[in-house]
Amino acid sequence: GNSVTQMEGPVTLSEEAFLTINCTYTATGYPSLFWYVQYPGEGLQLLLKATKADDKGSNKGFEATYRKETTSFHLEKGSVQVSDSAVYFCALKLGAGSYQLTFGKGTKLSVIP
Amino acid sequence: NAGVMQNPRHLVRRRGQEARLRCSPMKGHSHVYWYRQLPEEGLKFMVYLQKENIIDESGMPKERFSAEFPKEGPSILRIQQVVRGDSAAYFCASYTGGAGNYNEQFFGPGTRLTVL
Repeated sequence: GNSVTQMEGPVTLSEEAFLTINCTYTATGYPSLFWYVQYPGEGLQLLLKATKADDKGSNKGFEATYRKETTSFHLEKGSVQVSDSAVYFCALKLGAGSYQLTFGKGTKLSVIP
Repeated sequence: NAGVMQNPRHLVRRRGQEARLRCSPMKGHSHVYWYRQLPEEGLKFMVYLQKENIIDESGMPKERFSAEFPKEGPSILRIQQVVRGDSAAYFCASYTGGAGNYNEQFFGPGTRLTVL
């Protein structure tokens, strides 16, 4: 079946530190890959996406590259801010005709001043 | 353009009562999904609906849970005779229903159900 595995949290970083959150997937086809962010008390917001191998998704200083050979989609940011504190979810969706998102368990990030 | 609306935001029920969760999709969206998020877990797909049709309910428990999306009004997720294990955050997401490999789902703020 399809699954997404994220690194365990929580992750605590100082402001301006480099962030990596690992994400690997297992899928029966060729999925689209996503990172969602959930701020406290809110719903999920799409952060970035990539729809095919070697694509790089980017938004708000965050980046992730779709690596088919390693079945990975690691999230990175060069310099985190306190406002980046949230829970980050990696997710996949299979190709045309599919609609279900499969999520990882989420990684909680806390950024301290 | 208002986002996906869910209400109530917080719902407390005693065991055996009924819970009704409402979701109003974004304007122009005719497709709705419901997901459940248990504590310390990711979201799990429950059901996918179009107006007046259930497309896929494979993620929904067979008993006590039902969902609808009528021609007029919000989508409703109904949980009968709630138990403590139903305590979770329930998220609704909507999208336009257009064709293509990727269709962004827009999420509501969720309803946090607590069963006492």
